[in-house]
Amino acid sequence: GAGVSQTPSNKVTEKGKYVELRCDPISGHTALYWYRQSLGQGPEFLIYFQGTGAADDSGLPNDRFFAVRPEGSVSTLKIQRTERGDSAVYLCASSYQPYYEQYFGPGTRLTVT
Amino acid sequence: DAKTTQPNSMESNEEEPVHLPCNHSTISGTDYIHWYRQLPSQGPEYVIHGLTSNVNNRMASLAIAEDRKSSTLILHRATLRDAAVYYCILTTASKLTFGTGTRLQVTL
Repeated sequence: GAGVSQTPSNKVTEKGKYVELRCDPISGHTALYWYRQSLGQGPEFLIYFQGTGAADDSGLPNDRFFAVRPEGSVSTLKIQRTERGDSAVYLCASSYQPYYEQYFGPGTRLTVT
Repeated sequence: DAKTTQPNSMESNEEEPVHLPCNHSTISGTDYIHWYRQLPSQGPEYVIHGLTSNVNNRMASLAIAEDRKSSTLILHRATLRDAAVYYCILTTASKLTFGTGTRLQVTL
């Protein structure tokens, strides 16, 4: 079956611009997670949705980062006023229910110039 | 989440078994032990998880020490496709807290 998909695969933007990153989870998965990964590091948790609501957003670094999942399936990670330090691979994962194994997408590589 | 300690890198020959260690001396009674791996240029992939008893699945085996302060991921016959970074993660929450993992190199 189809896995987790993320679009775009690559995004280059200028400092100060707004970006949206999209995640399509596996059909029927109720939990959705966002992580980001800097070069040479393991992924870092950002936010987790159970259904439509954010169950844990403790990993969002500041108020420039926001994520939504309005219908409980597709999710969008939104970054305002991008900074060079936001450059990373943004990974999305979904699981059938919380605490089940997570299935990751290929990631979106964001480069802020 | 409790901290884990893994070697930075390991090497294995193809077709040989590989034992990837993980120390977690501060593990709590409710922490599950998860293993994920990340192949080059891909997102992480679930491998296996356990709580107290040893676990086996089609990918690997997980051996958990009796005091739960360490565990070992066992790949029974390494192949070139197993070359990846392997992460040992403890969690009681739904989110995963990754360390830097063990980079496994597999050679012919």
